[in-house]
Amino acid sequence: EDQVTQSPEALRLQEGESSSLNCSYTVSGLRGLFWYRQDPGKGPEFLFTLYSAGEEKEKERLKATLTKKESFLHITAPKPEDSATYLCAVQADRSWGKLQFGAGTQVVVTP
Amino acid sequence: SAVISQKPSRDICQRGTSLTIQCQVDSQVTMMFWYRQQPGQSLTLIATANQGSEATYESGFVIDKFPISRPNLTFSTLTVSNMSPEDSSIYLCSVRMGGRETQYFGPGTRLLVL
Repeated sequence: EDQVTQSPEALRLQEGESSSLNCSYTVSGLRGLFWYRQDPGKGPEFLFTLYSAGEEKEKERLKATLTKKESFLHITAPKPEDSATYLCAVQADRSWGKLQFGAGTQVVVTP
Repeated sequence: SAVISQKPSRDICQRGTSLTIQCQVDSQVTMMFWYRQQPGQSLTLIATANQGSEATYESGFVIDKFPISRPNLTFSTLTVSNMSPEDSSIYLCSVRMGGRETQYFGPGTRLLVL
């Protein structure tokens, strides 16, 4: 069965203090790995799609990387507006679009 | 990406009643999905809404409890039937466009069952 484990569960950062979130996955044939940001009371907002090991994507202060077993979301010099829950999800080759989500990492950035 | 809206945005319902949630997209999409997010938990796929045919349900979810319609390429409904307090969750629709794998989510419907 596909599994996605995110760590840490929660992360408290000072503004400007860079850090990384981890997403470990087990899936029989990875079709894609996805990162989303979710603010309280809102739907997940798409950040990145990664398809193969070695791939990297960047957007402002965020950078996502992918290996055969895990993905990292690096937050460089975070600002308070980066506070959110970050969700990782995988789609298996054999699925017709089903995303298997991790439990998320809640990030709080204080000024 | 597409602009996705859901109605209602939130509701409080009595046990034993049913609620229909609407999902509207501003452009034609290839696939539509319904997810549930229980309090403090992550998202779980309920079903894939197929246009012109019966939805495809995930293990643990049945059509009698969560009937789904998708009459065209831009609209779908999810009904939560015979509700109990355990159905209190956020219900989210998502869409895939063209040949891309990425799913985009609507704002969600917050449901509280008393």
